[in-house]
Amino acid sequence: EVQLVQSGAEVKKPGESLKISCEGSGYSFTNYWVAWVRQMPGKGLEWMGFINPGDSDTRYCPSFRGQVTISVDRSISTAYLQWSSLKASDTAMYYCSSALAGTSYDMWGQGTMVTVSS
Amino acid sequence: QSALTQPASVSGSPGQSITISCTGTSSDVGGYNYVAWYQQHPGKAPKLMIYDVSKRPSGVSNRFSGSKSGNTASLTISGLQAEDEAEYYCTSYTISTNWVFGGGTMLTVL
Repeated sequence: EVQLVQSGAEVKKPGESLKISCEGSGYSFTNYWVAWVRQMPGKGLEWMGFINPGDSDTRYCPSFRGQVTISVDRSISTAYLQWSSLKASDTAMYYCSSALAGTSYDMWGQGTMVTVSS
Repeated sequence: QSALTQPASVSGSPGQSITISCTGTSSDVGGYNYVAWYQQHPGKAPKLMIYDVSKRPSGVSNRFSGSKSGNTASLTISGLQAEDEAEYYCTSYTISTNWVFGGGTMLTVL
């Protein structure tokens, strides 16, 4: 089955670090760009950044540049989104998505809820 | 990069047709034929409904159609059904940030 499976929900304190994951299976993971998308509670979707698993070429959307790090481990078909110092405003659902359609992101993970609270 | 502009809400009765607009600029919607539409039900991941302005992924009902004129893209849903009630987001490729979303439109089926 072609799917993206994300890591489980996280509850963290402000200032802590975090790395969440997105594992692709059932297809050639390195052939398709992976995106991360944030959805804050009750709000809309926001593209955070994109990574080409084949060569690790990474593009960040302006609002997220310097705030998060996107990476990939090709050997285990997994993309990552990480924070070095979480803030309460990072509380959100985070989705990964893969562009199997080529020109659009058509496959989505189930989402990882990150809660940052003291 | 500013978000694309969508109406906050639209509504229609079962069987009717509705259209959701998505207005951008010549740097995004107007400049590329890479506009997509997503449907999101509460608590669920987004689902791709239209890509490349007017193409439907396999498995998506032909009641959903997309189009574009100038800097405005549109999603039309015909023969509204209760299950169509959801949030709809447009997105467009843009050279500056790769992709940008609209603010989302809540579709209510009356």
